Amino acid sequence: GAGVSQSPRYKVAKRGQDVALRCDPISGHVSLFWYQQALGQGPEFLTYFQNEAQLDKSGLPSDRFFAERPEGSVSTLKIQRTQQEDSAVYLCASSPRPIYEQYFGPGTRLTVT
Amino acid sequence: AQSVSQHNHHVILSEAASLELGCNYSYGGTVNLFWYVQYPGQHLQLLLKYFSGDPLVKGIKGFEAEFIKSKFSFNLRKPSVQWSDTAEYFCAVNGHNAGKSTFGDGTTLTVKP
Repeated sequence: GAGVSQSPRYKVAKRGQDVALRCDPISGHVSLFWYQQALGQGPEFLTYFQNEAQLDKSGLPSDRFFAERPEGSVSTLKIQRTQQEDSAVYLCASSPRPIYEQYFGPGTRLTVT
Repeated sequence: AQSVSQHNHHVILSEAASLELGCNYSYGGTVNLFWYVQYPGQHLQLLLKYFSGDPLVKGIKGFEAEFIKSKFSFNLRKPSVQWSDTAEYFCAVNGHNAGKSTFGDGTTLTVKP
């Protein structure tokens, strides 16, 4: 079946621009996670949804980062007024239940110039 | 706060050599443990997981890992590596009642033919 998909795969933004990153999880997966992965590091947790409820947003680095999952399926991660330090790969993962293994998408590589 | 430490950043082996990648975690509670693998040009995918029961778990492609609670460790092993095992390997932990996972910084394994 279809896996987790993310779009766009690559995004170049000028500093100060707003960006929106999309994640389509595996159908029926209750849990959805966003991670940020800097070069040479492991994924770092940003936020977590169970259905449409955002249960944990403790990893969002600033109030410029905002995530939503209004109908409990597709999710969007929005970054306002992008900064150079936002350059990273943004990974989305979904899971059938919260503590199970996660299924990852290909990521969106964001470059802020 | 939970953390994961992977001791080796880059490991280079010849085919048929044995592999052991170290993973230690810090977490104040009962944990679930995972190893994920990212082959060149592919998504992160699950290699194996430990939730409870037998501390020696077997995963895909001949990999296994042993959970040693007293040492807070979950080392990954394979008796004989193949060139196709060249990839980046990530250890991850989450709490039994927590959704988010904490990842180590990864170990890049290069297997020479």
